[in-house]
Amino acid sequence: DADVTQTPRNRITKTGKRIMLECSQTKGHDRMYWYRQDPGLGLRLIYYSFDVKDINKGEISDGYSVSRQAQAKFSLSLESAIPNQTALYFCATSSPLGPQETQYFGPGTRLLVL
Amino acid sequence: QQQVKQSPQSLIVQKGGISIINCAYENTAFDYFPWYQQFPGKGPALLIAIRPDVSEKKEGRFTISFNKSAKQFSLHIMDSQPGDSATYFCAATIPGKLTFGTGTRLTIIP
Repeated sequence: DADVTQTPRNRITKTGKRIMLECSQTKGHDRMYWYRQDPGLGLRLIYYSFDVKDINKGEISDGYSVSRQAQAKFSLSLESAIPNQTALYFCATSSPLGPQETQYFGPGTRLLVL
Repeated sequence: QQQVKQSPQSLIVQKGGISIINCAYENTAFDYFPWYQQFPGKGPALLIAIRPDVSEKKEGRFTISFNKSAKQFSLHIMDSQPGDSATYFCAATIPGKLTFGTGTRLTIIP
């Protein structure tokens, strides 16, 4: 069973539509993250949350919002999708262990905005 | 701006050869340097990591070399195998936050 799950795995939507990507984890980690991956740009941090009441913007948060519904759930929303939000989206979790903290990634959601 | 620069973008190595991927960073506050490996259709997974007070870390065929004064580190894959074909990301950490390089797509050919 996967420790970090993402739904949906693939999504096609149209410009202007609101969509939500969901992430669930069974690792018991307090920290959760949303990244997007684009060819040649690597993984860029969108939002992160260190616990249920904590939400922080990453380097590319414009056009996105998040909700931390519980320790195990962290959702990413695109309020009004645009084509340049077409990307591969990853959720990750971690537990604070000082500098040697490891992030555990979900399988990703491939999003296409037409 | 890219705080962690990675090269090359793609790399083709013959089976049995040595694969070398290089990274450079600018922020001296980074205190941990992991490498993540990503196979197609999967999320990245931690491969190997090094602390800045160590110059080399070896795990099996994978070695990280770290040069603190030059702010550079590299991944060496010895005796490269087709199963090593994947995308590799270097990263640098400030506690709780990873900054990734742009990735290297490695292909091992027979």
